[in-house]
Amino acid sequence: DGGITQSPKYLFRKEGQNVTLSCEQNLNHDAMYWYRQDPGQGLRLIYYSQIVNDFQKGDIAEGYSVSREKKESFPLTVTSAQKNPTAFYLCASRPPDRDSPLHFGNGTRLTVT
Amino acid sequence: AQTVTQSQPEMSVQEAETVTLSCTYDTSESDYYLFWYKQPPSRQMILVIRQEAYKQQNATENRFSVNFQKAAKSFSLKISDSQLGDAAMYFCAYRSWGNSGNTPLVFGKGTRLSVIA
Repeated sequence: DGGITQSPKYLFRKEGQNVTLSCEQNLNHDAMYWYRQDPGQGLRLIYYSQIVNDFQKGDIAEGYSVSREKKESFPLTVTSAQKNPTAFYLCASRPPDRDSPLHFGNGTRLTVT
Repeated sequence: AQTVTQSQPEMSVQEAETVTLSCTYDTSESDYYLFWYKQPPSRQMILVIRQEAYKQQNATENRFSVNFQKAAKSFSLKISDSQLGDAAMYFCAYRSWGNSGNTPLVFGKGTRLSVIA
């Protein structure tokens, strides 16, 4: 079955360490997105990519980095520069059809102590 | 930049009753999409309903319907015959028409709906 896989579901890191969140899709979608969810804040856009080897910053890109070397993969690195990294992270993708909705992964809960 | 406002952080409804969740948005565009997403405790994001701004008719999906007021920039969600499974966080979202169709969604902060048996 096609879908978006985010792994792991729960991730724990020590403060000061970089950590990479995985997002893989087998839907053949060009566009992929990373959102961060905090209580009472809704979903906020971190980065998005419309095609391979291209990506744009979202509203809260500081302290994060991404790569898009393959169509299927859009990993997000949370660097030590991110002041409050503990959050729930959602990856999504969309086909180019204008009317198509977002497909979401199941998310990764990152806890940094 | 577009913004989406959900003014009700929490709502509750009795089972089998009707509830309306509010959403307003700010945009200078004339063509766009609006969405309601549901996020149950599993945290999976589920599309509930969507509305194309160029369509005057309000979208409906079974027990879910919207009241789309384009001039007022309002997009409320009505849930009829509420069920226990409707308990979730509900997010209103906006997407620009855009040139490529890949423009990101802008989300509101959400409304947590409780359903009382």
